[in-house]
Amino acid sequence: GQNIDQPTEMTATEGAIVQINCTYQTSGFNGLFWYQQHAGEAPTFLSYNVLDGLEEKGRFSSFLSRSKGYSYLLLKELQMKDSASYLCAVNSGYSTLTFGKGTMLLVSP
Amino acid sequence: DSGVTQTPKHLITATGQRVTLRCSPRSGDLSVYWYQQSLDQGLQFLIQYYNGEERAKGNILERFSAQQFPDLHSELNLSSLELGDSALYFCASSAARTSAATDTQYFGPGTRLTVL
Repeated sequence: GQNIDQPTEMTATEGAIVQINCTYQTSGFNGLFWYQQHAGEAPTFLSYNVLDGLEEKGRFSSFLSRSKGYSYLLLKELQMKDSASYLCAVNSGYSTLTFGKGTMLLVSP
Repeated sequence: DSGVTQTPKHLITATGQRVTLRCSPRSGDLSVYWYQQSLDQGLQFLIQYYNGEERAKGNILERFSAQQFPDLHSELNLSSLELGDSALYFCASSAARTSAATDTQYFGPGTRLTVL
């Protein structure tokens, strides 16, 4: 079966750094995606990792350790608009994705 | 704007009814995916089509069906609707050149279905 775990909620302050963790146990692995989703809106693509290590893209970075079944999304210089749900999703060998339930991030002034 | 379009944006109907949700993928994308998102279940994969053929099935109920047409748009049909079917339904598309390739999925704005 597929199991993806993320914290349900996190809070942080504007300008700070926050790390959102994701652990997964899947029958196969062909890449891990992070999406951002504002309430009632579509998920939007943030990052993709298939090899171990850190991928940096502006204020957002994503890390993957395949041996540990672990990833994190790092958000720097937090802004109020970063308040959203962050979804971790695993491609387990086919083209379909299995999503975690998401981490709701609240950024306060 | 992802380039994926979905209609209608909102749909309100009664239990027992049937509805059709429509999705147009990004230009050139061959794969279309349907997802259901409810508050307690998160984003659940329903079904994938690639170039007109069904390629993968997830947690899709027998009351639900989908198809992809020659122009690559897709429709999701939901029948004998129940209160629990109320949810956001998203369509996504990807540019994967084969049905099994890993590629980024881009999501449409969704259809909010309310069953009364």
